[in-house]
Amino acid sequence: KNQVEQSPQSLIILEGKNCTLQCNYTVSPFSNLRWYKQDTGRGPVSLTIMTFSENTKSNGRYTATLDADTKQSSLHITASQLSDSASYICVVPPAYSGGGADGLTFGKGTHLIIQP
Amino acid sequence: DSGVTQTPKHLITATGQRVTLRCSPRSGDLSVYWYQQSLDQGLQFLIQYYNGEERAKGNILERFSAQQFPDLHSELNLSSLELGDSALYFCASSVDGGGDYNEQFFGPGTRLTVL
Repeated sequence: KNQVEQSPQSLIILEGKNCTLQCNYTVSPFSNLRWYKQDTGRGPVSLTIMTFSENTKSNGRYTATLDADTKQSSLHITASQLSDSASYICVVPPAYSGGGADGLTFGKGTHLIIQP
Repeated sequence: DSGVTQTPKHLITATGQRVTLRCSPRSGDLSVYWYQQSLDQGLQFLIQYYNGEERAKGNILERFSAQQFPDLHSELNLSSLELGDSALYFCASSVDGGGDYNEQFFGPGTRLTVL
């Protein structure tokens, strides 16, 4: 069964600290892996999109890594800010879904809280 | 600001009623997607339109329907509303309907409350 599991479910860190969120998936074959940030009550915002051939991709203070062999991805946030408080969702569309062209399936993700 | 607009922002109605949610995609985007997010849940894909034609269907109830108009805006119609339909409804748009880097841009959502 195609599944995506994220850990931890929730995380609280102090402002300025770094953190790493994990995503394990069993989706196969997969086309790409996406990380989204969703503020409470707002639409998700794409952070990174990686194909299976990419190992790492950065977007400002966000760096995503992908190990297609172990089916693991991580999202590293550097020098956290209060505005980083949000849910971070890993999305892995199956290849047969057009790589996400046919609509994406979102889990609940990791709920990150940055404390001053 | 993603460039995707949704109206209304909030909607409060009663069970059994019918409502219409509207979405305008980013300029130049041909695909529109509709998602539902219930309280403390992940987004659930409902339906996708590409250049006026239905392209993909997700977990959309028969009481729900959508369409995309020639100017590419889309409407999601929800009828015979039930309490469980209370949720955030998001619209997203993308340039086209395929490809690994087919990025979806999400609107601010419409919060529907059914009393």
